[in-house]
Amino acid sequence: SSDLTQDPAVSVALGQTVRITCRGDSLETYYASWYQQKPGQAPILVLFDKNTRPSGIPDRFSGSRSGNTASLTITGAQAEDEADYFCHSRDSSDNHVFGTGTTVTVL
Amino acid sequence: EVQLVESGGRWVRPGGSLRLSCAASGFNFNNYNMNWVRQAPGKGLEWVAYIGSSSYTINYADSVKGRFTVSRDNAKNSLYLQLTGLRIEDTAIYYCARQETYCSSDSCSDPLDYWGQGTLVTVSS
Repeated sequence: SSDLTQDPAVSVALGQTVRITCRGDSLETYYASWYQQKPGQAPILVLFDKNTRPSGIPDRFSGSRSGNTASLTITGAQAEDEADYFCHSRDSSDNHVFGTGTTVTVL
Repeated sequence: EVQLVESGGRWVRPGGSLRLSCAASGFNFNNYNMNWVRQAPGKGLEWVAYIGSSSYTINYADSVKGRFTVSRDNAKNSLYLQLTGLRIEDTAIYYCARQETYCSSDSCSDPLDYWGQGTLVTVSS
């Protein structure tokens, strides 16, 4: 399958740790990239490659992969981390594909 | 500073056509592969089209294949998306995004590292 599946929503207490997962066959071949999107804004890249953050992204964001599952972990979640998160990779046709998205709520 | 600025979105009737543009600045445009990604109201991200830096390789999502055409003019630092045969389900914000490619020892990733602010296409009667 070329789909990337994410849990629709997760919540986390302020300062605690939350993990967002992304499942798909292509993730055994390609690393996932992760994007954060806040309401009314364009997505921004927060993680890519094995576990690389673009400049300006806090180090509380980290990534990992196991088999066909990629994970984005926010360690010590802050109020400003409340957003939608999308994973992204390639599919079997070498086209781009996005995950279904996860809404993170910080309590 | 890298900037991508989309334009051309508007209301159009089903079956109509539209051309979107993306003006790039702050980087060497002709060295980068580019993509169009869309987002329907209240929905997730959907990849639409890819064009290589020299326009040699072009790919489309099945949902737009045969109706949309991606192109670029490296001399003008511009990316385009021609939309024809528009359907109500094409209503979305259309983003252009720059693609990078990174490879580690065991795998690669192709992150979309910069995005424009998007342009809204509304298809309705």
